[in-house]
Amino acid sequence: QVQLQESGPGLVKPSQTLSLTCTVSGGSISSGDYYWSWIRQPPGKGLEWIGYIYYSGSTYYNPSLKSRVTISVDTSKNQFSLKLSSVTAADTAVYYCAREAVTTGGLAWGQGTLVTVSS
Amino acid sequence: EIVMTQSPATLSVSPGERATLSCRASQSVSSNLAWYQQKPGQAPRLLIYGASTRATGIPARFSGSGSGTEFTLTISSLQSEDFAVYYCQQYNNWWTFGQGTKVEIK
Repeated sequence: QVQLQESGPGLVKPSQTLSLTCTVSGGSISSGDYYWSWIRQPPGKGLEWIGYIYYSGSTYYNPSLKSRVTISVDTSKNQFSLKLSSVTAADTAVYYCAREAVTTGGLAWGQGTLVTVSS
Repeated sequence: EIVMTQSPATLSVSPGERATLSCRASQSVSSNLAWYQQKPGQAPRLLIYGASTRATGIPARFSGSGSGTEFTLTISSLQSEDFAVYYCQQYNNWWTFGQGTKVEIK
């Protein structure tokens, strides 16, 4: 059974870049059967899709965040990563990594990590 | 962007009763729709994908229906562990989520 685990700083200063990594275990990130995704949830609010990457490196980003987001994959470490630049307090959220089956849909989620943007 | 609208925002139900949650898409998403359950402090859990297929390990009291723009999640007999927030998600054109329906104890 696949497991996903987010890691990275829990506190980021305004205007800096938020960087998170998702480590995948129990399955290969090189599988062409899945999209590897980032989703966030501000405290007390709903879910917002950030973007996803395919094992080939193809990426797809939420248009509202596209100018600030980079998602990359490291198949040798079975990891994928998120970078969000020029952060503000509005980027404070629990960040989840997730996997979606290409053919059937439906997300399997990591446990999430809270990132606070504050000076 | 496809906008997903869930109703009601809050549903008050007694244990053992049926709960019916709705999700409407601003344009057709075919059957590319999933439902998730989220409890406080936890990640969402996949319940339904393909509008009507239960995910592995999901009890039969959860069922999904619909296609196109109108979808329903039904919980046939609410158990204590079912009180949570439920989200729908379309994956037909990028991804978008509904704003959630909170199912609370009446």
